Amino acid sequence: AQKVTQAQTEISVVEKEDVTLDCVYETRDTTYYLFWYKQPPSGELVFLIRRNSFDEQNEISGRYSWNFQKSTSSFNFTITASQVVDSAVYFCALSSSYSGVMRFGAGTRLTVKP
Amino acid sequence: EAQVTQNPRYLITVTGKKLTVTCSQNMNHEYMSWYRQDPGLGLRQIYYSMNVEVTDKGDVPEGYKVSRKEKRNFPLILESPSPNQTSLYFCASSLISRYGDDEQFFGPGTRLTVL
Repeated sequence: AQKVTQAQTEISVVEKEDVTLDCVYETRDTTYYLFWYKQPPSGELVFLIRRNSFDEQNEISGRYSWNFQKSTSSFNFTITASQVVDSAVYFCALSSSYSGVMRFGAGTRLTVKP
Repeated sequence: EAQVTQNPRYLITVTGKKLTVTCSQNMNHEYMSWYRQDPGLGLRQIYYSMNVEVTDKGDVPEGYKVSRKEKRNFPLILESPSPNQTSLYFCASSLISRYGDDEQFFGPGTRLTVL
Protein backbone atom coordinates (compact mmCIF):
# COMPACT_ATOMS: atom_id res chain seq x y z
CA ALA A 1 0.00 0.00 0.00
CA GLN A 2 1.10 3.54 -0.60
CA LYS A 3 1.62 5.92 2.28
CA VAL A 4 3.10 9.36 2.79
CA THR A 5 4.25 10.55 6.20
CA GLN A 6 5.00 14.13 7.10
CA ALA A 7 6.00 13.83 10.72
CA GLN A 8 6.33 17.56 11.32
CA THR A 9 2.88 18.93 11.97
CA GLU A 10 3.97 22.51 12.55
CA ILE A 11 7.24 24.36 12.20
CA SER A 12 7.93 27.93 13.22
CA VAL A 13 11.03 29.82 12.15
CA VAL A 14 12.23 33.39 12.06
CA GLU A 15 12.71 35.06 8.72
CA LYS A 16 16.01 34.26 6.95
CA GLU A 17 16.38 30.93 8.72
CA ASP A 18 16.71 27.79 6.60
CA VAL A 19 14.04 25.15 7.13
CA THR A 20 13.63 21.57 5.95
CA LEU A 21 10.29 19.84 5.62
CA ASP A 22 10.48 16.07 5.82
CA CYS A 23 8.56 13.59 3.68
CA VAL A 24 8.84 9.83 3.95
CA TYR A 25 6.91 7.54 1.66
CA GLU A 26 6.05 3.86 1.28
CA THR A 27 5.21 2.10 -1.94
CA ARG A 28 5.67 -1.26 -3.59
CA ASP A 29 5.65 0.26 -7.06
CA THR A 30 8.93 0.39 -8.94
CA THR A 31 7.75 3.42 -10.88
CA TYR A 32 6.11 6.23 -8.98
CA TYR A 33 6.05 9.99 -8.73
CA LEU A 34 6.48 12.37 -5.85
CA PHE A 35 5.12 15.88 -5.58
CA TRP A 36 5.17 18.88 -3.31
CA TYR A 37 2.27 21.31 -3.12
CA LYS A 38 1.92 24.57 -1.22
CA GLN A 39 -1.31 25.79 0.35
CA PRO A 40 -1.01 29.44 1.38
CA PRO A 41 -3.48 31.02 3.81
CA SER A 42 -5.72 31.91 0.88
CA GLY A 43 -6.43 28.20 0.50
CA GLU A 44 -5.50 27.31 -3.07
CA LEU A 45 -3.15 24.45 -3.82
CA VAL A 46 -0.03 25.36 -5.75
CA PHE A 47 2.17 22.79 -7.47
CA LEU A 48 5.86 23.10 -6.60
CA ILE A 49 7.71 20.10 -7.97
CA ARG A 50 7.39 16.62 -9.45
CA ARG A 51 10.02 13.91 -9.29
CA ASN A 52 9.91 10.39 -10.75
CA SER A 53 11.35 7.37 -9.04
CA PHE A 54 14.19 7.00 -11.52
CA ASP A 55 15.50 10.50 -11.11
CA GLU A 56 17.36 10.95 -7.84
CA GLN A 57 18.98 14.15 -8.91
CA ASN A 58 18.45 16.92 -6.41
CA GLU A 59 16.75 20.04 -7.66
CA ILE A 60 17.15 23.68 -6.80
CA SER A 61 14.76 26.43 -7.78
CA GLY A 62 15.69 29.76 -6.30
CA ARG A 63 15.44 29.45 -2.52
CA TYR A 64 13.78 26.03 -2.80
CA SER A 65 15.60 22.74 -3.04
CA TRP A 66 14.53 19.12 -2.92
CA ASN A 67 16.48 16.08 -1.82
CA PHE A 68 15.20 12.74 -3.10
CA GLN A 69 16.78 9.66 -1.54
CA LYS A 70 15.37 6.34 -2.64
CA SER A 71 17.50 4.47 -0.11
CA THR A 72 15.64 6.12 2.74
CA SER A 73 12.33 6.64 0.87
CA SER A 74 12.50 10.34 1.54
CA PHE A 75 11.77 13.44 -0.49
CA ASN A 76 12.65 16.40 1.67
CA PHE A 77 12.09 20.05 0.89
CA THR A 78 14.37 22.85 2.04
CA ILE A 79 13.65 26.55 1.98
CA THR A 80 16.76 28.68 2.25
CA ALA A 81 16.56 32.14 3.80
CA SER A 82 12.87 31.79 4.55
CA GLN A 83 10.49 34.70 4.07
CA VAL A 84 7.15 35.57 5.59
CA VAL A 85 5.49 34.76 2.25
CA ASP A 86 6.65 31.16 2.65
CA SER A 87 4.15 30.73 5.48
CA ALA A 88 1.78 28.02 4.29
CA VAL A 89 0.85 24.39 4.65
CA TYR A 90 3.07 22.17 2.53
CA PHE A 91 1.93 18.79 1.29
CA CYS A 92 4.01 15.93 -0.03
CA ALA A 93 2.18 13.49 -2.33
CA LEU A 94 2.81 10.16 -4.05
CA SER A 95 1.17 8.86 -7.19
CA SER A 96 1.23 5.43 -8.71
CA SER A 97 2.18 4.87 -12.32
CA TYR A 98 -0.23 1.92 -12.41
CA SER A 99 -3.44 3.62 -11.34
CA GLY A 100 -4.95 7.01 -10.76
CA VAL A 101 -4.37 6.85 -7.03
CA MET A 102 -2.76 9.87 -5.42
CA ARG A 103 -1.91 9.94 -1.71
CA PHE A 104 -1.05 13.03 0.27
CA GLY A 105 0.70 13.43 3.56
CA ALA A 106 -1.03 15.20 6.41
CA GLY A 107 0.84 18.39 5.66
CA THR A 108 3.31 20.58 7.54
CA ARG A 109 2.23 24.04 8.58
CA LEU A 110 5.17 26.42 8.26
CA THR A 111 5.05 29.78 9.97
CA VAL A 112 7.77 32.28 9.17
CA LYS A 113 7.90 35.15 11.64
CA PRO A 114 9.36 38.53 10.74
CA GLU B 1 -7.41 31.28 -18.73
CA ALA B 2 -6.68 27.65 -17.96
CA GLN B 3 -8.49 26.70 -14.81
CA VAL B 4 -10.52 24.29 -12.74
CA THR B 5 -13.75 25.75 -11.43
CA GLN B 6 -15.94 24.48 -8.63
CA ASN B 7 -19.41 25.52 -7.59
CA PRO B 8 -20.59 26.40 -5.10
CA ARG B 9 -17.60 27.70 -3.16
CA TYR B 10 -19.48 27.59 0.13
CA LEU B 11 -22.49 25.52 1.09
CA ILE B 12 -24.37 24.96 4.31
CA THR B 13 -26.97 22.24 4.18
CA VAL B 14 -28.87 19.84 6.40
CA THR B 15 -28.54 16.13 6.90
CA GLY B 16 -30.14 14.09 4.15
CA LYS B 17 -30.64 16.82 1.58
CA LYS B 18 -29.07 15.71 -1.69
CA LEU B 19 -26.49 18.03 -3.16
CA THR B 20 -24.11 18.25 -6.10
CA VAL B 21 -20.80 20.07 -6.26
CA THR B 22 -19.83 20.79 -9.83
CA CYS B 23 -16.31 20.71 -11.23
CA SER B 24 -15.27 21.83 -14.66
CA GLN B 25 -11.91 22.19 -16.39
CA ASN B 26 -11.09 23.94 -19.66
CA MET B 27 -7.72 22.32 -20.34
CA ASN B 28 -8.93 19.18 -22.13
CA HIS B 29 -7.49 17.08 -19.34
CA GLU B 30 -8.20 13.35 -19.31
CA TYR B 31 -7.80 12.83 -15.59
CA MET B 32 -9.96 14.35 -12.87
CA SER B 33 -10.19 13.68 -9.18
CA TRP B 34 -12.00 14.71 -6.00
CA TYR B 35 -10.38 15.14 -2.60
CA ARG B 36 -11.51 16.15 0.82
CA GLN B 37 -9.28 18.02 3.22
CA ASP B 38 -9.70 17.64 6.95
CA PRO B 39 -7.47 19.02 9.72
CA GLY B 40 -4.61 16.69 10.54
CA LEU B 41 -5.47 14.30 7.70
CA GLY B 42 -4.25 16.17 4.64
CA LEU B 43 -6.07 15.53 1.38
CA ARG B 44 -7.77 12.22 0.88
CA GLN B 45 -8.87 11.02 -2.51
CA ILE B 46 -12.59 10.32 -2.88
CA TYR B 47 -12.95 9.30 -6.53
CA TYR B 48 -10.98 9.73 -9.69
CA SER B 49 -11.61 9.40 -13.39
CA MET B 50 -9.06 8.45 -16.00
CA ASN B 51 -11.34 9.47 -18.87
CA VAL B 52 -14.98 9.83 -19.93
CA GLU B 53 -17.18 7.08 -18.46
CA VAL B 54 -14.22 5.72 -16.46
CA THR B 55 -14.34 6.32 -12.71
CA ASP B 56 -12.78 4.56 -9.76
CA LYS B 57 -12.83 4.75 -5.99
CA GLY B 58 -10.18 6.51 -4.01
CA ASP B 59 -9.55 6.04 -0.30
CA VAL B 60 -12.78 7.52 1.07
CA PRO B 61 -15.62 6.93 -1.43
CA GLU B 62 -18.38 6.04 1.05
CA GLY B 63 -21.32 8.43 0.85
CA TYR B 64 -20.26 9.95 -2.47
CA LYS B 65 -21.04 9.40 -6.13
CA VAL B 66 -19.47 10.79 -9.26
CA SER B 67 -20.06 10.71 -12.98
CA ARG B 68 -17.98 11.59 -16.00
CA LYS B 69 -20.27 11.99 -18.98
CA GLU B 70 -18.19 14.73 -20.56
CA LYS B 71 -14.47 15.26 -20.51
CA ARG B 72 -14.65 18.70 -18.92
CA ASN B 73 -17.08 17.96 -16.07
CA PHE B 74 -16.79 15.76 -13.01
CA PRO B 75 -19.58 16.44 -10.51
CA LEU B 76 -19.49 15.14 -6.94
CA ILE B 77 -22.85 13.98 -5.62
CA LEU B 78 -23.82 13.52 -1.99
CA GLU B 79 -27.10 11.61 -2.05
CA SER B 80 -27.76 11.87 1.69
CA PRO B 81 -25.19 14.12 3.33
CA SER B 82 -24.24 13.57 6.95
CA PRO B 83 -22.33 15.80 9.39
CA ASN B 84 -19.16 13.72 8.97
CA GLN B 85 -19.03 14.93 5.38
CA THR B 86 -18.44 18.47 6.57
CA SER B 87 -15.14 19.27 4.94
CA LEU B 88 -13.21 21.27 2.37
CA TYR B 89 -13.47 19.64 -1.04
CA PHE B 90 -11.07 20.03 -3.93
CA CYS B 91 -11.45 18.99 -7.52
CA ALA B 92 -8.31 18.47 -9.59
CA SER B 93 -7.37 17.61 -13.14
CA SER B 94 -4.26 16.63 -15.04
CA LEU B 95 -3.44 16.12 -18.67
CA ILE B 96 -2.86 12.39 -18.63
CA SER B 97 -2.44 10.33 -15.54
CA ARG B 98 -1.89 7.02 -17.25
CA TYR B 99 1.60 7.01 -15.82
CA GLY B 100 0.91 9.13 -12.75
CA ASP B 101 3.45 11.73 -13.70
CA ASP B 102 1.45 14.83 -14.51
CA GLU B 103 0.94 17.45 -11.85
CA GLN B 104 -2.65 18.03 -10.87
CA PHE B 105 -4.27 21.45 -11.18
CA PHE B 106 -6.65 22.16 -8.35
CA GLY B 107 -9.88 24.07 -8.17
CA PRO B 108 -10.39 26.74 -5.51
CA GLY B 109 -12.18 24.42 -3.10
CA THR B 110 -15.73 24.06 -1.80
CA ARG B 111 -16.35 24.41 1.90
CA LEU B 112 -19.29 22.22 2.84
CA THR B 113 -21.05 22.24 6.20
CA VAL B 114 -23.68 19.62 6.93
CA LEU B 115 -25.85 20.39 9.97
